[in-house]
Amino acid sequence: KQEVTQIPAALSVPEGENLVLNCSFTDSAIYNLQWFRQDPGKGLTSLLLIQSSQREQTSGRLNASLDKSSGRSTLYIAASQPGDSATYLCAVRPNNYGQNFVFGPGTRLSVLP
Amino acid sequence: DGGITQSPKYLFRKEGQNVTLSCEQNLNHDAMYWYRQDPGQGLRLIYYSQIVNDFQKGDIAEGYSVSREKKESFPLTVTSAQKNPTAFYLCASSITRAGYTFGSGTRLTVV
Repeated sequence: KQEVTQIPAALSVPEGENLVLNCSFTDSAIYNLQWFRQDPGKGLTSLLLIQSSQREQTSGRLNASLDKSSGRSTLYIAASQPGDSATYLCAVRPNNYGQNFVFGPGTRLSVLP
Repeated sequence: DGGITQSPKYLFRKEGQNVTLSCEQNLNHDAMYWYRQDPGQGLRLIYYSQIVNDFQKGDIAEGYSVSREKKESFPLTVTSAQKNPTAFYLCASSITRAGYTFGSGTRLTVV
């Protein structure tokens, strides 16, 4: 059974720092991986979707990488801003057709001004 | 603009009462999902539907029911059999095997 973990559980950094959030999954047979952002009391906003054949995806200050063989993905946030404060979740979709995304518990990020 | 609309934003349920949460999408997505989120916990899958008139139980389906009569709509009913329904409920949709798009959620509280 696929399991997804995220380290660290919480992170607090000063504004302007570059930071890395980690996501690990136990079964490398995945179809794709998606990173989300969730603000308190809100729904999830999709940040990046990486297909299993891709190594990375970029959107603005965000870069997500995927190493399927080692079961890891990282989300890199450049020049962090207070507005980046939120919980970041990763989710993996197993390769078996009909399987749904499995979510990690999230990393709660606070960027201090 | 295309998206997913969940309503209401807040819902209060009395003991022994059934309540229905609405989820509507205009993205022309085939698949729709319901998740439950509790404080400090990850998302848990309640029900999902890959096509109209078909749906499957997720990991925590007990005490919940759904219908999928239209492609655009996937309502969730929280029945009186659900003993601990207070939670944040999230609806999502996707094209087959693509990424998820989420709604803004419904917070259900038992009073």
